[in-house]
Amino acid sequence: AQKITQTQPGMFVQEKEAVTLDCTYDTSDPSYGLFWYKQPSSGEMIFLIYQGSYDQQNATEGRYSLNFQKARKSANLVISASQLGDSAMYFCAMRESYNQGGKLIFGQGTELSVKP
Amino acid sequence: DAGITQSPRHKVTETGTPVTLRCHQTENHRYMYWYRQDPGHGLRLIHYSYGVKDTDKGEVSDGYSVSRSKTEDFLLTLESATSSQTSVYFCAISESGMLNTEAFFGQGTRLTVV
Repeated sequence: AQKITQTQPGMFVQEKEAVTLDCTYDTSDPSYGLFWYKQPSSGEMIFLIYQGSYDQQNATEGRYSLNFQKARKSANLVISASQLGDSAMYFCAMRESYNQGGKLIFGQGTELSVKP
Repeated sequence: DAGITQSPRHKVTETGTPVTLRCHQTENHRYMYWYRQDPGHGLRLIHYSYGVKDTDKGEVSDGYSVSRSKTEDFLLTLESATSSQTSVYFCAISESGMLNTEAFFGQGTRLTVV
C-alpha cells in the first residue's frame, strides 16, 4: 500500500502567488516525521522543511510552511510568493518511529512550474 | 554540502551483465539508503543500511543486493541487469534514524540497460 501519496503530478502557479502542494500519508504509528524535498532540474535533492507528528505548531521555514492536519493525515507544503527558481519537483517523505532502520519513504512527487 | 559521492555518475550496460554502484560518504553517518527515481513513481527505496553489515530491504529490492563492509561505503549491485532497471539511482545518508533527522543525497547515477 502506498504510504505517501502526492496526487498532483504537475502544477502551475503565477510568479508571486502562493501555491499548495498536497501530500497525504498512511501510518498507524502515532510517532512519525514528515519531510519535504525540492529537486530542481539539476537533479540535486534539497531538504526544505520538517514536521513531527507531535509538533503543536505547523512548521515554517522562510517562504515554506507546512499545513499539517493530523486527523486527515495530510501534510501540504505551502510556498508563498512563488519565484521562478521554485520551478522544480517536490517530494513529500515520511519516517516512522517503529522502524529501527530509519526507513525514509517518498511520494511520487509534484512538478511545479512557476510562470512569469 | 554533505560529503557524498556516487560512482559512476553515468553508465550504459548490457542486459544480463552485473553492475555495481558505489556510494561513498565522508560524514561518518550511520544510515545509508539506495533509491531509484522513475517518472511517475518518485523515489522508491531499494535497500537501506543502519550500520556496518546491517541492511534491510526496501519497497523494490528484487534484482538488487547491497553490501556495507565499512561505514563510508554502501554498494548496490544489480546481479543481472534488466531493461526495467534503467533508472536514476540516488544514495542518501542520515546521521541517525530519529524522526527529525534529514537525509542528504548524492548527485545520482544515471544507469541505462540496453
